[in-house]
Amino acid sequence: EAGVAQSPRYKIIEKRQSVAFWCNPISGHATLYWYQQILGQGPKLLIQFQNNGVVDDSQLPKDRFSAERLKGVDSTLKIQPAKLEDSAVYLCASSLVASSGGLTDTQYFGPGTRLTVL
Amino acid sequence: EDKVVQSPLSLVVHEGDTVTLNCSYEVTNFRSLLWYKQEKKAPTFLFMLTSSGIEKKSGRLSSILDKKELFSILNITATQTGDSAIYLCAVGDYNQGGKLIFGQGTELSVKP
Repeated sequence: EAGVAQSPRYKIIEKRQSVAFWCNPISGHATLYWYQQILGQGPKLLIQFQNNGVVDDSQLPKDRFSAERLKGVDSTLKIQPAKLEDSAVYLCASSLVASSGGLTDTQYFGPGTRLTVL
Repeated sequence: EDKVVQSPLSLVVHEGDTVTLNCSYEVTNFRSLLWYKQEKKAPTFLFMLTSSGIEKKSGRLSSILDKKELFSILNITATQTGDSAIYLCAVGDYNQGGKLIFGQGTELSVKP
């Protein structure tokens, strides 16, 4: 079974530039998450999708960050314009929606994208 | 505010040692506790615990949850250099639709 795919793996940009990350979850996983992991910290949830709908985006800095999952499969996360403090690893994860309608908590992570903002 | 705290933040041991990593939590609507191992970038799933007092084991790794005292431990016996990684603890909130709240991680370094 293929895992969560992300691209690019690395990105270096200057502040005020724009950047976009792509994620393809495990086949059949309805729930997709984007996390930001700053060096020395645990991952912090930015946004959670259930199919193509947003479940939680309370910690997404909406003035500069946006995300979409138009067809309920792959997703993109965009930062525009980037700031120095956005330097981090951006992790995408997915989880399976249980047939009973509940959500399982086991999230499977992609390799991440390391963003450096100069 | 919900939080997950891990200790120690870093640990250096020698091969063959046994280590215990700690995770305490304050989460209003606890659903589950998960342990992940993070090497380089992607966290890989180790265990999910939902019931108190039931030990989960996988080879040299084991974990147990105490829902009364609000903590979990991850034990690694006979450590190997390949165990060097950051170990992340995360708690699932029942009312948050699968949202995980992560601790800051414990960086384990196993020396030959």
